Amino acid sequence: DQQVKQNSPSLSVQEGRISILNCDYTNSMFDYFLWYKKYPAEGPTFLISISSIKDKNEDGRFTVFLNKSAKHLSLHIVPSQPGDSAVYFCAATSPNFGNEKLTFGTGTRLTIIP
Amino acid sequence: DTAVSQTPKYLVTQMGNDKSIKCEQNLGHDTMYWYKQDSKKFLKIMFSYNNKELIINETVPNRFSPKSPDKAHLNLHINSLELGDSAVYFCASSQPMGPASGGPNEQFFGPGTRLTVL
Repeated sequence: DQQVKQNSPSLSVQEGRISILNCDYTNSMFDYFLWYKKYPAEGPTFLISISSIKDKNEDGRFTVFLNKSAKHLSLHIVPSQPGDSAVYFCAATSPNFGNEKLTFGTGTRLTIIP
Repeated sequence: DTAVSQTPKYLVTQMGNDKSIKCEQNLGHDTMYWYKQDSKKFLKIMFSYNNKELIINETVPNRFSPKSPDKAHLNLHINSLELGDSAVYFCASSQPMGPASGGPNEQFFGPGTRLTVL
């Protein structure tokens, strides 16, 4: 029962262009969403989050968009840089689940081509 | 200066053995977690402890037993290892109370322990 889905296992983008990573969820109880970034042989690191009361959150080159009616969120990285090459995980949670319980997607491997 | 550390980084063992993975955090956090990332790359929570008390216990076989000697440590002991236990295990920590926005606090992950059961 995969409640958070990242349907693109990989994505390649030219340096300087926009990277768009997508995430879909099925559980309407989720109301807080996070993106984590993972380099090889390291643990995931927090990147950006968004509450369901918002539809957009921006932090520097990273912007997360949330479409609640479609149960869809996306992470935009612009401009993309070689150091952005990593696996990106989408995660979701809810106070009903105790907030600390994160449900993760399977990740999208982003490769930035110099 | 590592925030969340795990030992060992790699663990190769035979079926039926008992093994432990250790986790320590120096962030002063009250909450610690164990996650399992299987071969299909699903990253799933197994347990969480808040100040040495078990908070989350997902449907994990009772061969897995977390032990928290103090709030800076959460070790994972696995009895009678099976082939399906092969995975990468991540420890994480956070503060238990969310920010004013009501969302969860950031979880800080360790580098992972790759367990291979032969």
